[in-house]
Amino acid sequence: GQNIDQPTEMTATEGAIVQINCTYQTSGFNGLFWYQQHAGEAPTFLSYNVLDGLEEKGRFSSFLSRSKGYSYLLLKELQMKDSASYLCAGGSYIPTFGRGTSLIVHP
Amino acid sequence: SAVISQKPSRDICQRGTSLTIQCQVDSQVTMMFWYRQQPGQSLTLIATANQGSEATYESGFVIDKFPISRPNLTFSTLTVSNMSPEDSSIYLCSVLGLAGSGANVLTFGAGSRLTVL
Repeated sequence: GQNIDQPTEMTATEGAIVQINCTYQTSGFNGLFWYQQHAGEAPTFLSYNVLDGLEEKGRFSSFLSRSKGYSYLLLKELQMKDSASYLCAGGSYIPTFGRGTSLIVHP
Repeated sequence: SAVISQKPSRDICQRGTSLTIQCQVDSQVTMMFWYRQQPGQSLTLIATANQGSEATYESGFVIDKFPISRPNLTFSTLTVSNMSPEDSSIYLCSVLGLAGSGANVLTFGAGSRLTVL
């Protein structure tokens, strides 16, 4: 079976750093994805990890520990436009999605 | 990455009717999928749309309720049949393609928001 867990909601202050955690239990593993979804819009791809460690891409970084079934998305220098839902996805060739973490960035 | 156009973007439907959602991709793609996103829920895979053959449905989804067509490598339709209020959801078309990182990444259409009264 596939199980992806992430917090439902988080709040943070503009300019701060926030870490969104994700734990997974999947029958197969083909990498761990993070997507961003603004209200009323399609999910868009943010990052992909298949090996352990940190992948940095500008203000966003993603970390993976395969032995712990754990990933996190780190957002630095938060901006108001970062308010969105962040979806963790992983598993087999076609990934299973978590319910998403709604991030609210306030001034 | 591929550009996906979906229509309708939203619709309000009466119970018992059926609605067909269209998905057009700007390039030929092998793997095309249909997802459902209910309020506050995750993206749930309905089926893989196979070109030239019947779609492959996930557990809990059946062809009679969600018939899918895939006449070529750039187009697919999903029909939501005999709708009930429980079918109110966002339906998204998605394709799998290579990202710059070398990973196979899902790209999504903007979705079709259906409200069933």
